[in-house]
Amino acid sequence: GEDVEQSLFLSVREGDSSVINCTYTDSSSTYLYWYKQEPGAGLQLLTYIFSNMDMKQDQRLTVLLNKKDKHLSLRIADTQTGDSAIYFCAETQGGKLIFGQGTELSVKP
Amino acid sequence: GAVVSQHPSRVICKSGTSVKIECRSLDFQATTMFWYRQFPKQSLMLMATSNEGSKATYEQGVEKDKFLINHASLTLSTLTVTSAHPEDSSFYICSAHPDRGSGWEQYFGPGTRLTVT
Repeated sequence: GEDVEQSLFLSVREGDSSVINCTYTDSSSTYLYWYKQEPGAGLQLLTYIFSNMDMKQDQRLTVLLNKKDKHLSLRIADTQTGDSAIYFCAETQGGKLIFGQGTELSVKP
Repeated sequence: GAVVSQHPSRVICKSGTSVKIECRSLDFQATTMFWYRQFPKQSLMLMATSNEGSKATYEQGVEKDKFLINHASLTLSTLTVTSAHPEDSSFYICSAHPDRGSGWEQYFGPGTRLTVT
């Protein structure tokens, strides 16, 4: 399809790992991004991965990239209640960011 | 670093009036800024790309005469919603791409909630 796709909801228990998946469309995207949005706020850049990498780890965050399948994932280790938010993946197209529809992560105590 | 502010955070206006929203990059220069619109529980819709010193580039379906964009300096872009109507009520978010950025990252403002009555 033409859209960046994400599952809409994910619910986990505090302390568990969360994995948010994304399928993007443009194989020439040089950078792929993960953003976090809390209610009523703007987007916060969490992390990004360059297209020649398979994995990037940044503290509790791990990004995996499968270029063949155009699949991107974000793993949050030891998920906390403060991680509850909407997570957007984004690909780059012509200098613009194309966002997925967002995955709402709910963390239950 | 990489802080973007927006002003106002909330605005209520009457139908037919105009509203100006400011987007500032506080600690970096940004030749390119972006304006998005977001409906509840939905993703961001890119409205236009704002370029310092030149005309904005509008996405298909966005009326450039209704959504006026001015990028007067390397740290300030403004969006003016002219002759606002209730259907223009939305959450407007700006972002800025640092001139010294390594990729295509954008840093976002906190958004402006516009309500047109």
